[in-house]
Amino acid sequence: DSGVTQTPKHLITATGQRVTLRCSPRSGDLSVYWYQQSLDQGLQFLIQYYNGEERAKGNILERFSAQQFPDLHSELNLSSLELGDSALYFCASSPRGGGREQYFGPGTRLTVT
Amino acid sequence: QKEVEQDPGPLSVPEGAIVSLNCTYSNSAFQYFMWYRQYSRKGPELLMYTYSSGNKEDGRFTAQVDKSSKYISLFIRDSQPSDSATYLCAMSGGQGSGTYKYIFGTGTRLKVLA
Repeated sequence: DSGVTQTPKHLITATGQRVTLRCSPRSGDLSVYWYQQSLDQGLQFLIQYYNGEERAKGNILERFSAQQFPDLHSELNLSSLELGDSALYFCASSPRGGGREQYFGPGTRLTVT
Repeated sequence: QKEVEQDPGPLSVPEGAIVSLNCTYSNSAFQYFMWYRQYSRKGPELLMYTYSSGNKEDGRFTAQVDKSSKYISLFIRDSQPSDSATYLCAMSGGQGSGTYKYIFGTGTRLKVLA
């Protein structure tokens, strides 16, 4: 158990809908990262927050947005969902703003029908 | 060209074999080099990380970094069926390097046969 929690574990929704994925980092960790992993694909970095501020941005679609709250939990919002958005979404946390280790949550499996 | 290249495998080895997993990269700003293990449909788990060049050993695992060749390796000694998983390399610039990029390889699927 990494200490990172993600909810929900599974989500099934229809095209065009909007969903929110939630992540609670390990106690004391200031950085939160979001990744997308499609079937048989590598981890695609979406976005990083450090102590409430956006630190780095990857291949995140304009339909997706994220934020980190004062208590350091983070939410990833996915809107106007398409079939191709079906994937595992992982959150990871780190005590630092960059480099070194990341601790991953169990993921949220999103299925868009 | 991808910033990080990793052979997807699959790689099948008999139990007890020494396994060699590799990644190459193109961004010379990377300073931290990590290896993660991912079991099917689970979150990746950090195995070890190395700063700059050199070797690092942890139990049956040894990580090597050759910055001059932009090449990193993970060796697994006395491989076990429980080592069967996907192994992902990752690299990062970190503070002071000019980049906070944290890039994962696509992963190598390893199967250790009993």
